[in-house]
Amino acid sequence: QSALTQPPSASGSPGQSVTISCTGTSSDVGGYNYVSWYQQHPGKAPKLMIYEVSKRPSGVPDRFSGSKSGNTASLTVSGLQAEDDADYYCLSYADNYRVFGTGTKVSVL
Amino acid sequence: EVQLVESGGGLVQPGGSLRLSCEASGFTFSTSSMNWVRQAPGKGLEWVSSISDTSSYIYHAESVKGRFTISRDNAKNSLYLQMNSLRDEDTAVYYCAQGSFGAFGYWGQGTLVTVSS
Repeated sequence: QSALTQPPSASGSPGQSVTISCTGTSSDVGGYNYVSWYQQHPGKAPKLMIYEVSKRPSGVPDRFSGSKSGNTASLTVSGLQAEDDADYYCLSYADNYRVFGTGTKVSVL
Repeated sequence: EVQLVESGGGLVQPGGSLRLSCEASGFTFSTSSMNWVRQAPGKGLEWVSSISDTSSYIYHAESVKGRFTISRDNAKNSLYLQMNSLRDEDTAVYYCAQGSFGAFGYWGQGTLVTVSS
């Protein structure tokens, strides 16, 4: 049940794109198409942004997209906006557990 | 409107016990899987426990196995986390979250548990 590996930080200017990786194993990320992504602003509860690798819940802008290749999932935020400045976490389903990523701080410069 | 309201947090001494509650409304609780997630001060999210709609499937993180127990009462639309043998490292904001297969769609605002002497 080791945490999934994410880069500590990522940044971009408004309008640019940023991609965050989330690396696990064949027992979690690689074994199932059940990776989700969460956005968290300081002092707030996390918000679901992507589920089942690439699906967006209602109300989430299409600037957010997800993908997966092997044991690594990715979240891309296109057309960065000031409100995208936040922490992002991936979460993977596994057979008898769930596991979060280490988290990535996205800064909009 | 979906609401998840946690309660029961507070200050407890190492080795003590605490029971967290999460009251749900605005969705069909009895057919939803539920989860507890925690976040230590300044740290990332950590999955704690999950329970299926009928309590048939229950999972706990290795870090809390044998000390924490998740349960639910569908008649009361409530989720619980019984925490025993608490340690300093259990200090965190505890969130309840609705969802299964790793997609947690709704979250409460969290309740703070502080383990300290």
